[in-house]
Amino acid sequence: QVQLVQSGAEVKKPGSSVKVSCKASGGTFSSYTISWVRQAPGQGLEWMGRIIPIFGTAKYAQTFQGRVTIIADKSTSIAYMELSSLRSEDTAVYYCARGGGVPFAFDIWGQGTMVTVSS
Amino acid sequence: QSALTQPPSASGSPGQSVTISCTGTSSDVGGHNYVSWYQQHPGKAPKLMIYEVIKRPSGVPDRFSGSKSGKTASLTVSGLQAEDEADYYCCSYAGANNVFGTGTKVTVL
Repeated sequence: QVQLVQSGAEVKKPGSSVKVSCKASGGTFSSYTISWVRQAPGQGLEWMGRIIPIFGTAKYAQTFQGRVTIIADKSTSIAYMELSSLRSEDTAVYYCARGGGVPFAFDIWGQGTMVTVSS
Repeated sequence: QSALTQPPSASGSPGQSVTISCTGTSSDVGGHNYVSWYQQHPGKAPKLMIYEVIKRPSGVPDRFSGSKSGKTASLTVSGLQAEDEADYYCCSYAGANNVFGTGTKVTVL
């Protein structure tokens, strides 16, 4: 069974960037999509964007256009999400999630990565 | 893309049923049958409970069911159990994007 394992917690300064990784193990990586979803403390889920690893094409939510970059390395089955120009409101848990295991839904999730933005 | 609208909270006693609504627009919920539902316990990652409005992934109890009418999708949990107490989020495909609902906290009384 495929598992998504994310990198560890990060503490960043305002204005800097953060790069979170998501490694797929135990199954095929390229045949699906990988989305990134964030959750601020006490708040709901927010979709940030997705990548189709087999094509390398990414789609971003308008809210994050210009600040987020999602890439995937097929050779290592790792997807990355980089968020730039960080501000305190970006403090959140960031999840990666697999799409396409079932149609138009996220059937496997990573454990989440806490990113704290603080001066 | 605005978040889909869910009630902040819902509750029921063990054995009862609770239904959560998820209201969107003709560009998302009302435009197709690609609505999914997720259960999230505190400190845990979300778990897929329903996809394509009515389908259950393997391993999800049949106490969980989904439906849709127009621009509003619904999740019903029948025969409430203590472990059903969690946050629930709907999600809709929306023209190559995805949009989540505002979330509903379900309390088992």
